[in-house]
Amino acid sequence: NAGVTQTPKFQVLKTGQSMTLQCAQDMNHEYMSWYRQDPGMGLRLIHYSVGAGITDQGEVPNGYNVSRSTTEDFPLRLLSAAPSQTSVYFCASSYSGQAWGSPLHFGNGTRLTVT
Amino acid sequence: DQQVKQNSPSLSVQEGRISILNCDYTNSMFDYFLWYKKYPAEGPTFLISISSIKDKNEDGRFTVFLNKSAKHLSLHIVPSQPGDSAVYFCAAPRTTSGSRLTFGEGTQLTVNP
Repeated sequence: NAGVTQTPKFQVLKTGQSMTLQCAQDMNHEYMSWYRQDPGMGLRLIHYSVGAGITDQGEVPNGYNVSRSTTEDFPLRLLSAAPSQTSVYFCASSYSGQAWGSPLHFGNGTRLTVT
Repeated sequence: DQQVKQNSPSLSVQEGRISILNCDYTNSMFDYFLWYKKYPAEGPTFLISISSIKDKNEDGRFTVFLNKSAKHLSLHIVPSQPGDSAVYFCAAPRTTSGSRLTFGEGTQLTVNP
């Protein structure tokens, strides 16, 4: 049981490049989400999904796309990387999407640098 | 609009003493609060939670207190251990019964041997 797996762990991009951050969970969780962590700002929600085929925007969705074709996978795409997207990205999942009794499980993060 | 705030970026305590981490919130509709702990190069892990119908929840060395009138919660760790050194985030669901969490900025706790 690996939990939430994120790849890659580290990535350096040039401005304008695109890439996909991978996230997979093996806990059969319906709810998945992406957060970014920046110094002094806590974690901010980018996108989330309550089940396969359903996605929605969080607080800071601009510049990112997501899709949820399977229960297990929730990739995050950067369309055209900008230095402002330099951050640590965390994928998280939970069983039901209900905070009560179903806390989020986080992956170990992807540290992204955009030059 | 930072609805959950942790005003202390860092806290240093001696091993065996009490650690008190504080969190304030502005949205009176929040009905559930969570604390997460984060070690370097790892993702946050759930620590303890509290519903707004309670004013205290205890789990071993960890106790969370909620003061709704002051819109304030605190996490007490007694006794503190060096392994407790981590960043602690408080969080609340953006909607009732939802997992869309809004997080505070985090407090770096250092427990000195």
